[in-house]
Amino acid sequence: DGGITQSPKYLFRKEGQNVTLSCEQNLNHDAMYWYRQDPGQGLRLIYYSQIVNDFQKGDIAEGYSVSREKKESFPLTVTSAQKNPTAFYLCASSNTAGGLETQYFGPGTRLLVL
Amino acid sequence: AQKITQTQPGMFVQEKEAVTLDCTYDTSDQSYGLFWYKQPSSGEMIFLIYQGSYDEQNATEGRYSLNFQKARKSANLVISASQLGDSAMYFCAMVREDSNYQLIWGAGTKLIIKP
Repeated sequence: DGGITQSPKYLFRKEGQNVTLSCEQNLNHDAMYWYRQDPGQGLRLIYYSQIVNDFQKGDIAEGYSVSREKKESFPLTVTSAQKNPTAFYLCASSNTAGGLETQYFGPGTRLLVL
Repeated sequence: AQKITQTQPGMFVQEKEAVTLDCTYDTSDQSYGLFWYKQPSSGEMIFLIYQGSYDEQNATEGRYSLNFQKARKSANLVISASQLGDSAMYFCAMVREDSNYQLIWGAGTKLIIKP
């Protein structure tokens, strides 16, 4: 089955700790995205990547970092610089990095701060 | 500035009735795309339907249809014969003007179907 997987489903972070959220897709999509969703709000873009070894900041990139070493993988690291990381994180991918391509989403990771 | 507005924070609808979820948008682009997504309580964002600005016909996908009124800048989602499983958050989104790769999102509408 083709799709997007995210792990873990729940993640707990201690103060000053970096944590990494996994996102893998087997749809052979070129573009991948990370969004943050706070309660009662829409999605906000953190980072996106159009091709391997390249990525761009979205609207709220501060305190986050990403890598795109493989086409199918786009991990997101929430660093200690992100002071309010508690949120729901969604990864998405689309067929091509341009035009009006539909984005498909993974099941999400809920990050909680201890 | 480009913006998506969903004016209904929550709606209750009787099962089997049709429901319309409102979405208005503001953009200076001539070519744009509008999307509707469903987010059940599990959290996953599920793509429902897409409408391109140059599409002459309203988009339809099964029980979902999009009432696209370009002059009014509205793209309302219509769900026919609602089911209990339609209870979820619904988001309207559009492609961002300064980037073909990014979407901007409305705040969503919480739909609850009553048995």
